[in-house]
Amino acid sequence: EPEVTQTPSHQVTQMGQEVILRCVPISNHLYFYWYRQILGQKVEFLVSFYNNEISEKSEIFDDQFSVERPDGSNFTLKIRSTKLEDSAMYFCASSEGPQGGYGYTFGSGTRLTVV
Amino acid sequence: AQKVTQAQTEISVVEKEDVTLDCVYETRDTTYYLFWYKQPPSGELVFLIRRNSFDEQNEISGRYSWNFQKSTSSFNFTITASQVVDSAVYFCALSEDSGGGADGLTFGKGTHLIIQP
Repeated sequence: EPEVTQTPSHQVTQMGQEVILRCVPISNHLYFYWYRQILGQKVEFLVSFYNNEISEKSEIFDDQFSVERPDGSNFTLKIRSTKLEDSAMYFCASSEGPQGGYGYTFGSGTRLTVV
Repeated sequence: AQKVTQAQTEISVVEKEDVTLDCVYETRDTTYYLFWYKQPPSGELVFLIRRNSFDEQNEISGRYSWNFQKSTSSFNFTITASQVVDSAVYFCALSEDSGGGADGLTFGKGTHLIIQP
């Protein structure tokens, strides 16, 4: 069964550093998403991406964050100048279509620790 | 705006007991989708079920069953004859069909289910 692949599984970074989280969505999917889960809390929507541009974004997704599809396979989330409160699990997801009827396939997540 | 409420923060039962996890949602859309995900201690999100707003038929999958009631805006999940391997955090989630952009999922806060041997 096709999978969404996220790398690395765990990343430790110094406060103030930039970090790039990487995702390889399922090849025939067109819509891509990033979610964040702070430890012990709920999963929160950050951003969706379609046709090489942001489709929707939440209040969390401020100027510190950016997303990119640099080539035909990768989908990245960049966090500039990381803060301690950015420590969380970040999930990438992809889907064939824009609505929930198409379902979402989640990756296994990248645990980001900012020290 | 949409909202998902899982009022039960933690539930602890003894193995083989039945347990129901509650989910109440709010949306202004007439077309929407409801999901349940399981998050085991390893951290990944495991998809369990997707339901659209026009399909109120209850579903059973092995020991799992789901009760969707639009009249009460609820989508409850029951595990029959629980097992230790069912121990996890369970999230209910909602996706609206706004007809516009790619809407993501709105998750509830999750219910931590502990099955004791």
